[in-house]
Amino acid sequence: DARVTQTPRHKVTEMGQEVTMRCQPILGHNTVFWYRQTMMQGLELLAYFRNRAPLDDSGMPKDRFSAEMPDATLATLKIQPSEPRDSAVYFCASAHPRGNGVTDTQYFGPGTRLTVL
Amino acid sequence: AQTVTQSQPEMSVQEAETVTLSCTYDTSESNYYLFWYKQPPSRQMILVIRQEAYKQQNATENRFSVNFQKAAKSFSLKISDSQLGDTAMYFCAYHKNYGGSQGNLIFGKGTKLSVKP
Repeated sequence: DARVTQTPRHKVTEMGQEVTMRCQPILGHNTVFWYRQTMMQGLELLAYFRNRAPLDDSGMPKDRFSAEMPDATLATLKIQPSEPRDSAVYFCASAHPRGNGVTDTQYFGPGTRLTVL
Repeated sequence: AQTVTQSQPEMSVQEAETVTLSCTYDTSESNYYLFWYKQPPSRQMILVIRQEAYKQQNATENRFSVNFQKAAKSFSLKISDSQLGDTAMYFCAYHKNYGGSQGNLIFGKGTKLSVKP
């Protein structure tokens, strides 16, 4: 049963510390998304990649957030320095390519619950 | 910009009965996908059902079916024979089928469904 995996599942850190979240997409999926879920904003896109290249990171605060795909099996989201307002659940999702570059259904990982004190 | 609206923050239903969750969306695109995702207390985002806008036939998945009204930009989810395990947040989501940011899911704020024994 293919699944998106994310680590860590929970992270508590202090303001100013660096946080790294990791995601392993489903094998064969070439599109990877990072979403953030908060009570106030709901679910919103931070960034996404196709074939490891960033396509859209307009939802990501550039001064402290960075997203990369070092290889096809690993996506990372880093926050440096972290702030209390970054407390949220961060989801990774992956999708299989369809014809003409269209993205198919996205499958979500279990999320990383981040708490910044 | 595309938007997704879920006007029912909370709903409840008795076990074995039928419930309908509402969703409306706004887009100028003609080709797009619509989704319902379920998020139980575990926070995992689970795909419930998917509809492609060019298909007139309403999608069904076992006890779950949709009423897709393209002209009205309405996409409601009907759950038949409700079960206790259906208790969750339900998110309606949209993404367009071509062009920039093609795969980016736009989510509604969610409807919290409680199934009562």
